[in-house]
Amino acid sequence: ELKVEQNPLFLSMQEGKNYTIYCNYSTTSDRLYWYRQDPGKSLESLFVLLSNGAVKQEGRLMASLDTKARLSTLHITAAVHDLSATYFCALGTYKYIFGTGTRLKVLA
Amino acid sequence: DAGITQSPRHKVTETGTPVTLRCHQTENHRYMYWYRQDPGHGLRLIHYSYGVKDTDKGEVSDGYSVSRSKTEDFLLTLESATSSQTSVYFCAISESTGAPLHFGNGTRLTVT
Repeated sequence: ELKVEQNPLFLSMQEGKNYTIYCNYSTTSDRLYWYRQDPGKSLESLFVLLSNGAVKQEGRLMASLDTKARLSTLHITAAVHDLSATYFCALGTYKYIFGTGTRLKVLA
Repeated sequence: DAGITQSPRHKVTETGTPVTLRCHQTENHRYMYWYRQDPGHGLRLIHYSYGVKDTDKGEVSDGYSVSRSKTEDFLLTLESATSSQTSVYFCAISESTGAPLHFGNGTRLTVT
């Protein structure tokens, strides 16, 4: 049974700082996804990582995948308030399993 | 945004009553999903569909049934609602295996 764990669950950080969210999973998977959810809103897709060593970046967010370690990271560079949201990782190709989410709060 | 509409957006119902939530898509995507979101649990898969009349169970399917008689509609039914089914329910669609999900705006269900 595939299990997906994220840490930390909550993260409060100051603007301008860097931090990393971790996503560990229990079995092999072809691909890994990152989603963002603003408070009270739906989820939107951020990244799809397709292979070992894959790295994708958009703005201040960079996601990477290490399939051997069964680990993905979402790195935040020089955080700004607009990045405050809950971030989810998920795995699967037709039956998608989500992590518990990391609630990020960026303090001005 | 992908054309996904969930209805109703909010519902309050009593324990023991049946409830049906509807997901309607205009994208002609093959795959449709129902998730529930609860604090501390993230999103958990209830049921999914890989075609008309083709459905399968997810992680937390007990107490729920689904039907898909047309490509565009995926219904989630709580046969006899319980307080533990109070949650926010999200529908999602995907055009193919491995493609990211597109989510609806959610239905907030309260069972009293």
